[in-house]
Amino acid sequence: EPEVTQTPSHQVTQMGQEVILRCVPISNHLYFYWYRQILGQKVEFLVSFYNNEISEKSEIFDDQFSVERPDGSNFTLKIRSTKLEDSAMYFCASSAKNTIYFGEGSWLTVV
Amino acid sequence: LAKTTQPISMDSYEGQEVNITCSHNNIATNDYITWYQQFPSQGPRFIIQGYKTKVTNEVASLFIPADRKSSTLSLPRVSLSDTAVYYCLVGDHGSSNTGKLIFGQGTTLQVKP
Repeated sequence: EPEVTQTPSHQVTQMGQEVILRCVPISNHLYFYWYRQILGQKVEFLVSFYNNEISEKSEIFDDQFSVERPDGSNFTLKIRSTKLEDSAMYFCASSAKNTIYFGEGSWLTVV
Repeated sequence: LAKTTQPISMDSYEGQEVNITCSHNNIATNDYITWYQQFPSQGPRFIIQGYKTKVTNEVASLFIPADRKSSTLSLPRVSLSDTAVYYCLVGDHGSSNTGKLIFGQGTTLQVKP
């Protein structure tokens, strides 16, 4: 069964550093997403991406965040100047039409 | 995006059938109903999706009444490994929509031996 894969599975970074989380969506999917889940809280939408541009973003997705699809297969989330409150599980997702499939997540710990 | 309401928690025993009902009174004409399962520290896993009536796959059934204002996820003969959080989501994820999903707290299902 095709799946969304994410790397790294776990990253520890110092406050103020930049982090890039990588995702390989399911190959025939055209819509890509990032969500995050702070420990013990709900899964929150960050951004959706289609046709090489952002189609929607949440209030969380401010100038600190950016997304890119650099090579037609990978889909990345960059977090600049990380803060303690950025510590969370970040999920990449993709869809072809009506069903969105999630990756296993990248656990980011900012210290 | 239609808001959903589902029980915060449910308990069951191994081998029983579990039914989790979700209310979505403001569902729109183009909205689909999708259920996900999430284990701790893992991504939401797609279980089943439907638009109306009944949908069945190898792991679950989804019952949707004619008015579509609610839906029921049915898990046959649960096992301990079905202990997880189950989310009901409603939305139009089609090509004309951004596919944003609004997650609630979900239903924490605890399966006991």
